[in-house]
Amino acid sequence: SQTIHQWPATLVQPVGSPLSLECTVEGTSNPNLYWYRQAAGRGLQLLFYSVGIGQISSEVPQNLSASRPQDRQFILSSKKLLLSDSGFYLCAWMGGQETQYFGPGTRLLVL
Amino acid sequence: AQSVAQPEDQVNVAEGNPLTVKCTYSVSGNPYLFWYVQYPNRGLQFLLKYITGDNLVKGSYGFEAEFNKSQTSFHLKKPSALVSDSALYFCAVRDDSGGYQKVTFGIGTKLQVIP
Repeated sequence: SQTIHQWPATLVQPVGSPLSLECTVEGTSNPNLYWYRQAAGRGLQLLFYSVGIGQISSEVPQNLSASRPQDRQFILSSKKLLLSDSGFYLCAWMGGQETQYFGPGTRLLVL
Repeated sequence: AQSVAQPEDQVNVAEGNPLTVKCTYSVSGNPYLFWYVQYPNRGLQFLLKYITGDNLVKGSYGFEAEFNKSQTSFHLKKPSALVSDSALYFCAVRDDSGGYQKVTFGIGTKLQVIP
């Protein structure tokens, strides 16, 4: 069966510091992968989308970037964090009939 | 673009009573509709989906949803609420308006089941 992992689970970082969040998927190949941010525990904002290695699409301009160095690895990065980058970051992959499956999330607090 | 609306910020229901969480949609073409649940500090979990076929869709944990084309609604229901059903519920719709596969989520409805 397929599983999706995210780490770290929680992160506290100072403003201006770099960021790297990792997402890996097991049990499937060449998945479509997604990064979302959830602020204030409510709606999800799609940040990045990837259909394959090195292929990244950005939904909104922001302080973040994404990379996909391997088929089942998706990384979210920032060179300098802003206070507004705080939130709950979710990685997801798309299975059959556009059903999305989510990782456990990373809680980021920027101070 | 495709969209869904969840008109209720929060729904409160007594344990044992039936529950309904509302969702309306706006799509061009045939809708692919979904419900997800999120427990505190967790990722979203898939509950059920409507692609085609019967208007009443059954999903996980005893939940079901009724697709109503004339009212463009896809309400989530459960005959008897449990305290453990308390969570954040998201309605979602397939959206390929950007030229690729993605899912657009509603803002979420918080369900509180009162013992």
